[in-house]
Amino acid sequence: DIQMTQSPSSLSASVGDRVTITCRASQSITNYLNWYQQKPGKAPKLLVYSASQTGVPSRFSGSGSGTYFTLTISSLQPEDFATYYCQQSYNTPWTFGQGTKVEVE
Amino acid sequence: EVQLVESGGGLVQPGGSLRLSCAASGFIISNYWMTWVRQAPGKGLEWVAHIQQDGSEKYYLDSVKGRFTISRDNAKNSLYLQMDSLRAEDTAIYYCARAVINGYLLLSFLDYWGQGTLVTVSS
Repeated sequence: DIQMTQSPSSLSASVGDRVTITCRASQSITNYLNWYQQKPGKAPKLLVYSASQTGVPSRFSGSGSGTYFTLTISSLQPEDFATYYCQQSYNTPWTFGQGTKVEVE
Repeated sequence: EVQLVESGGGLVQPGGSLRLSCAASGFIISNYWMTWVRQAPGKGLEWVAHIQQDGSEKYYLDSVKGRFTISRDNAKNSLYLQMDSLRAEDTAIYYCARAVINGYLLLSFLDYWGQGTLVTVSS
């Protein structure tokens, strides 16, 4: 199985900050990498697919290929405090990172 | 509007069975792969299974293979997960999700999720 490792596991930030979360795959997954946001008690929401394609507010952007990927929030908004997961869809079983919790500083 | 509504969760004893359902609306499920993902209390997300549009291809997490069966009824626009021989470690919220999988465009992701149904396996 492909292992996905996110860092950091949690971070504290303020509204307006630029935040970057990294995700590493245990083998190359080309660009089969997706990012999801989850708020407490809610279902995950797709933010970025195919490493860099977004259908959400432009402050979210993704980059990377192969084994190293990043999710960047250019200017953190109050509604962005949540947990973020990367997920590989290169092969089954699809696997997720352990999550990065973005908290208020 | 795309909606996915899960049902069928509850408390079950170890070794017992449950059947989860997912009712889809706002789109035709026969056009999509469909997926189950679970989340143990306070833990991360774990892909469980997915099924091709016509049900001919199914894939499972190793730890549920032989115990869980994913199926679909396209006429009812519904997805199911039959869970047998349940274990304590299967305790989780189970989410149904729509999967976009397109080999030509090199796309595969989960674009819509239901709100989940809680399965608790305990004596």
